[in-house]
Amino acid sequence: IAGITQAPTSQILAAGRRMTLRCTQDMRHNAMYWYRQDLGLGLRLIHYSNTAGTTGKGEVPDGYSVSRANTDDFPLTLASAVPSQTSVYFCASSETGGVNTGELFFGEGSRLTVL
Amino acid sequence: AQSVTQLDSHVSVSEGTPVLLRCNYSSSYSPSLFWYVQHPNKGLQLLLKYTSAATLVKGINGFEAEFKKSETSFHLTKPSAHMSDAAEYFCVVSDPLGFQKLVFGTGTRLLVSP
Repeated sequence: IAGITQAPTSQILAAGRRMTLRCTQDMRHNAMYWYRQDLGLGLRLIHYSNTAGTTGKGEVPDGYSVSRANTDDFPLTLASAVPSQTSVYFCASSETGGVNTGELFFGEGSRLTVL
Repeated sequence: AQSVTQLDSHVSVSEGTPVLLRCNYSSSYSPSLFWYVQHPNKGLQLLLKYTSAATLVKGINGFEAEFKKSETSFHLTKPSAHMSDAAEYFCVVSDPLGFQKLVFGTGTRLLVSP
């Protein structure tokens, strides 16, 4: 079982360019999340989705958008990348009610550098 | 609002010696608390969780944590460190009233020397 697959694993991007980070899960989890990880700040929630067709804003949503057309896929788009979006991005999923159980399943991350 | 404070950014131990990673939390409600581990260039993996049952929680790889409400702490321990324990550890608190109310600590890097 693959779990969560993220692509690309690493990308260098010029400022102003559009970028989509892909995330696919094969666990049929209802909930999916995007976090960014920055040194000294831990993980911060960007966007989430409770179920296919719905999305919501997390702690740091500005400059990012998501869609959830089906259960398995949850892409994250940077419409016009800026250097402050340089980070490691993690996609995660959980069963419904995931916050109360706390068990999130993470991908291995996408390292993005915006120059 | 809830929060977690991981008191040490780095902890260094020798192989075979005990591990203590400290975490204090703040929550307006009875929290759920978790420890996640992240090995280099990997995603996070759940180590253990406390959800208002037994206050001493056992997790994977010999780790355990004790919930102490009077001290608002949830420290992670292991009796004997192994080289493979070298990783980043995150303490996490969740608020049962909020669907996406997981709050991550800033992490503690555990270094294990031979």
